[in-house]
Amino acid sequence: QVHLVQSRGEAKKPGASVKVSCKTSGYSFTSFGITWVRQAPGQGLDWMGWISTYNGNPIYAQKFQGRVTMTTDASTSTAYMELRSLTSDDTALYYCARVGSGWFEVAYWGPGTLVTVSS
Amino acid sequence: NFMLTQPHSVSESPGKTVTISCTRSSGSIASTYVQWYQQRPGSSPTTIIYEDTLRPSGVPDRFSGSIDSSSNSASLTISGLRAEDEADYYCQSYETSNWVFGGGTKLTVL
Repeated sequence: QVHLVQSRGEAKKPGASVKVSCKTSGYSFTSFGITWVRQAPGQGLDWMGWISTYNGNPIYAQKFQGRVTMTTDASTSTAYMELRSLTSDDTALYYCARVGSGWFEVAYWGPGTLVTVSS
Repeated sequence: NFMLTQPHSVSESPGKTVTISCTRSSGSIASTYVQWYQQRPGSSPTTIIYEDTLRPSGVPDRFSGSIDSSSNSASLTISGLRAEDEADYYCQSYETSNWVFGGGTKLTVL
């Protein structure tokens, strides 16, 4: 059975960085990419990017270019998302998700990690 | 990048059928697959339709997806509405290197 376990919620100050982890199990990690989606309180879903777990190549949404880094560690079947220069607008639930057979759809969602940015 | 526009909210009675639309602003709706996700309050989203019309295992056949090139839109139809269907529904598609989500539709089962 596919499982995605995310790191605990974090509270950050404006200007800081946050790194969220997503440990996967129940499938071959390098066979399916990981995407990251965030959801601000009371708002909709916002796509942040996708990373190939096969070769580690990321694709970032334009609005996060230069501020986000997605990485993977195949030895532990874990994906990471780091977001820098945080502002209060980055307060959100951050979901990792495993894509399906294509790169363009989610097959399994993680539980989300709440990141709160406040001075 | 294109946008996907959904109605903000829809409501219907138990047992009835409801359809949620998702209109693509530019480019053909048929050019890339559309997915639909359900998000119940306080929960992560779940995938209910992928590749326009396909249902993951475990998703009841009360849920169906379609696309209409004439209106450049995708639709999610839920028949035999149940109280448990009350949730937010999001459509999603992509173009080259970017995913796009619709703004979401809140379904209220009266």
